Amino acid sequence: QKEVEQNSGPLSVPEGAIASLNCTYSDRGSQSFFWYRQYSGKSPELIMFIYSNGDKEDGRFTAQLNKASQYVSLLIRDSQPSDSATYLCAVNGAGGGFKTIFGAGTRLFVKA
Amino acid sequence: GAVVSQHPSWVICKSGTSVKIECRSLDFQATTMFWYRQFPKQSLMLMATSNEGSKATYEQGVEKDKFLINHASLTLSTLTVTSAHPEDSSFYICSAPTGADTQYFGPGTRLTVL
Repeated sequence: QKEVEQNSGPLSVPEGAIASLNCTYSDRGSQSFFWYRQYSGKSPELIMFIYSNGDKEDGRFTAQLNKASQYVSLLIRDSQPSDSATYLCAVNGAGGGFKTIFGAGTRLFVKA
Repeated sequence: GAVVSQHPSWVICKSGTSVKIECRSLDFQATTMFWYRQFPKQSLMLMATSNEGSKATYEQGVEKDKFLINHASLTLSTLTVTSAHPEDSSFYICSAPTGADTQYFGPGTRLTVL
């Protein structure tokens, strides 16, 4: 079982719709959870991080964490073509610190 | 957010040569930096943790004699790919943590070994 699993996609949504990206992780003791966006040929950029169960909103982005289910998601409201990218879910391990495990990413296409 | 730079952004070299990649934190000090490698359509794989003033910590399966890491100062870490071969062609990305446990990534270096 992979440590961080994501559906590779591609996920295709029309412009203005909500894009829902999902991620599961295997280490029940994980402390910190991150979503990164990566455009083709570029390095990842941090979108959001979440530490506690529940929802965290930042503009058009909402991260959701459910530690009991070992599940973290990212919702993108009012999706724009510029949101088209690969979204990486990342998890810091139970020991804390900075060792981050990345999922393989979900490719998102937003159709104009 | 914090700024991390990498140099060069891309490099093409012949098989058997060595390539040095620099990672700098521009507006903060980083006692720790991370080096990742990403093959096409795959995720980032942590190669090693670079520690200022001490030896780097390598992940399982990464050859420390092939991927030399030097953390020369609080703002600079270098990765040298020694005797590069075509299978080393990849996208190399460094990152540095800034407080808490978030990290900022450099823009990456695309290495092509002919």
